Amino acid sequence: GQSLEQPSEVTAVEGAIVQINCTYQTSGFYGLSWYQQHDGGAPTFLSYNALDGLEETGRFSSFLSRSDSYGYLLLQELQMKDSASYFCAVNQAGTALIFGKGTTLSVSS
Amino acid sequence: NAGVTQTPKFRVLKTGQSMTLLCAQDMNHEYMYWYRQDPGMGLRLIHYSVGEGTTAKGEVPDGYNVSRLKKQNFLLGLESAAPSQTSVYFCASSYRGDTEAFFGQGTRLTVV
Repeated sequence: GQSLEQPSEVTAVEGAIVQINCTYQTSGFYGLSWYQQHDGGAPTFLSYNALDGLEETGRFSSFLSRSDSYGYLLLQELQMKDSASYFCAVNQAGTALIFGKGTTLSVSS
Repeated sequence: NAGVTQTPKFRVLKTGQSMTLLCAQDMNHEYMYWYRQDPGMGLRLIHYSVGEGTTAKGEVPDGYNVSRLKKQNFLLGLESAAPSQTSVYFCASSYRGDTEAFFGQGTRLTVV
């Protein structure tokens, strides 16, 4: 089986930095992805980590530690438009893409 | 470029009725997925396909069937709808299992 754990809610203010953690248990782990979803719309891809370390894409960064079965998404210089749900997802055995339950981020001014 | 298109966008079914949700992608992707999303439950994988003519069960396959007769299309069928299948259904596709997945806009299904 597989499981992913991430916080259900996170709140922050504009301009701040927030980290959303994800721990996973799965067989045949290939990599960890992050997706963003606004108001029940289509989820959109943010990042993918197959190897240990930090991947940076603009204001967003993602980290993976395979030995700890742990990753996080780091959002810097938060903006109101970053208010959304964020999902971590594991690529299992190179085939199935399994998602966590999501973290709702609320950014206030 | 349309990306991933789901049909229909909304549907209301009566308990026991059947229906098919269609997912079409124009990106020549090998992998396609069907998910359902319920409040507080995230995206749960129903079935997926790693290529034309293949299908596999995901996390919550019971009550659903799928077919991938053409590479660009992935159909999700409900043979006898139940109220527990009221949900938002998302289809996604990707080039490989470890590459970016592109999602459709979702189908909101209500079973009464």
